[in-house]
Amino acid sequence: VQLVESGGGLVQPGRSLRLSCTTSEFTFGDYGMSWFRQPPGKGLEWIAFIRSKAYGGTTEYAASVKGRFTISRDDSRSVAFLQMNSLRTEDTAMYYCSRARWQTILLVDHWGQGTLVTVSS
Amino acid sequence: DIVMTQSPDSLAVSLGERATINCKSSQSVSHISDNKNYLAWYQQKPGQPPKLLIYWASARESGVPDRFSGSGSGTDFTLTISSLQAEDVAVYYCQQYYSAPLYTFGQGTKLEIK
Repeated sequence: VQLVESGGGLVQPGRSLRLSCTTSEFTFGDYGMSWFRQPPGKGLEWIAFIRSKAYGGTTEYAASVKGRFTISRDDSRSVAFLQMNSLRTEDTAMYYCSRARWQTILLVDHWGQGTLVTVSS
Repeated sequence: DIVMTQSPDSLAVSLGERATINCKSSQSVSHISDNKNYLAWYQQKPGQPPKLLIYWASARESGVPDRFSGSGSGTDFTLTISSLQAEDVAVYYCQQYYSAPLYTFGQGTKLEIK
């Protein structure tokens, strides 16, 4: 199982950024996918989840990002995305994508290496 | 939200000695439907993503050394490393997936060598 995040970088407050999570070695379309983040030196926070198409492809968000971030997926390319709008300095963090092992019991079993997002003027 | 609280925040243990980390949830993470505890433990080494160690509170992930074990039920859980090795230096997190995808984590416990 491989998950590789990309798209991070330095961005000014109020701007947008789109992260990608390119996956391989598993049947991407069968799994729910999440994004988590970890501010420098701090703990882990779940921020977004998308179900597989078989379970409706529906999405859920943490309150801290709801209305600003959008998770999506392209099963034909085995890629998950996180569109981040109206970025704030407190969004500065390492962003990880992850896979949920089962369709209805959402244990996170694999994580990518992460991509760093820095929001600063 | 289910609040997860770990203790201690940091821990220093001698090589070969036992390390114990506790995790308490603000409500039970045991499902009536299957009587399983929706509690996982992750290990995070510096500069690396979290790694799954334990799930269902006590099931060891494939490839995880048997010196790692998990126990507990309901709201109180423990991760034990029976004989600390140098490569076990890391931050350990408990996580509930009872209310997944609204996952919540403990604040982390930093484990060091004494």
